[in-house]
Amino acid sequence: GAVVSQHPSWVICKSGTSVKIECRSLDFQATTMFWYRQFPKQSLMLMATSNEGSKATYEQGVEKDKFLINHASLTLSTLTVTSAHPEDSSFYICSASWDHEKLFFGSGTQLSVL
Amino acid sequence: GESVGLHLPTLSVQEGDNSIINCAYSNSASDYFIWYKQESGKGPQFIIDIRSNMDKRQGQRVTVLLNKTVKHLSLQIAATQPGDSAVYFCAEGAGGSYIPTFGRGTSLIVHP
Repeated sequence: GAVVSQHPSWVICKSGTSVKIECRSLDFQATTMFWYRQFPKQSLMLMATSNEGSKATYEQGVEKDKFLINHASLTLSTLTVTSAHPEDSSFYICSASWDHEKLFFGSGTQLSVL
Repeated sequence: GESVGLHLPTLSVQEGDNSIINCAYSNSASDYFIWYKQESGKGPQFIIDIRSNMDKRQGQRVTVLLNKTVKHLSLQIAATQPGDSAVYFCAEGAGGSYIPTFGRGTSLIVHP
């Protein structure tokens, strides 16, 4: 099956710093990648959709200047949480698709901002 | 906007029993449905999918049923095992442009 690698799996940072999360499709070219946020015992909340070589489409209420998404190649998308604050602490998950149907998810990144 | 929701937040079963997890959807234009399994601290994992031109699809120990009349989707797991303990989400898509919408999720707890 298709494999999506997400790194790091967890990160602790100080308030005010920026954190970059990488999402790679290892054995397929992902035309589209999605970034989600998930709070404990809650569902996945779509943050943005990114297509290779174009600007990401952000969901309503998601600050594009806060959550910078770059999809520079068909196998890599990055999410940078800029000037992180404790309220940004969450589980971030990426997913990738080549056919706009099945999604393959990364293992998630637990971000803790002190 | 329209959304996908789940009937039961938690389902507890005994090992070996069959499990049924339900999902209601409201977007009548949805024509593609997927079930995902999410174990604690991990990303969701694809289980099975079904298109709207079908009402049943079987996989290994899992069956998905689709009732378009009442906009209802279910996931049946046969002979449930402790390793099936996880949160299960249904998601929907429409018209080949799949921006997935996830429901609340159902936590399945399997007791040995």
